[in-house]
Amino acid sequence: DQQVKQNSPSLSVQEGRISILNCDYTNSMFDYFLWYKKYPAEGPTFLISISSIKDKNEDGRFTVFLNKSAKHLSLHIVPSQPGDSAVYFCAAESYNFNKFYFGSGTKLNVKP
Amino acid sequence: EPEVTQTPSHQVTQMGQEVILRCVPISNHLYFYWYRQILGQKVEFLVSFYNNEISEKSEIFDDQFSVERPDGSNFTLKIRSTKLEDSAMYFCATGQGENQPQHFGDGTRLSIL
Repeated sequence: DQQVKQNSPSLSVQEGRISILNCDYTNSMFDYFLWYKKYPAEGPTFLISISSIKDKNEDGRFTVFLNKSAKHLSLHIVPSQPGDSAVYFCAAESYNFNKFYFGSGTKLNVKP
Repeated sequence: EPEVTQTPSHQVTQMGQEVILRCVPISNHLYFYWYRQILGQKVEFLVSFYNNEISEKSEIFDDQFSVERPDGSNFTLKIRSTKLEDSAMYFCATGQGENQPQHFGDGTRLSIL
């Protein structure tokens, strides 16, 4: 099941700079997308979401962009902080199917 | 902030034994889910539960698995006869429906010996 893909297993960024995490999907029926952050020994924590009727959603330092024609979404973190270091998962849901499909995760390391 | 609580945090069981994983949902949430993550792999959907019945399940969720909400608060996942390949982190999630975020517990690490 490769409906949601995160092709970069890891990303390293300097504190204060922008972190850009990417996610691609294949199912055109997906209409709701989310980003979760996960620390070791904890469950995924919801960060931000976007509906397919939008192309951008912003919450503080976090912005999610959705490009439906390219079936691509990205998470921008500006400015990045060391506490942002975690594994980030994108997830997608299709209308009438009450479950999330997760990507494999990108491990973000923000260096002080 | 309300949380999803899972117990136990770690369960070690002999192959062939039954296990029950427990979850206390966020109080005003009506939709409940189980996911699992095998070490090094993706988080995978197992089952969703609404209005006291399964609304959707994956191919992983075979006859060995069952879910229930016996007392109106706890949401449980039972694995009847565990196999080595059932070893994984099991996450409970709860939510308010479609196009709403699901909120996850910290998981139960299940180790089958």
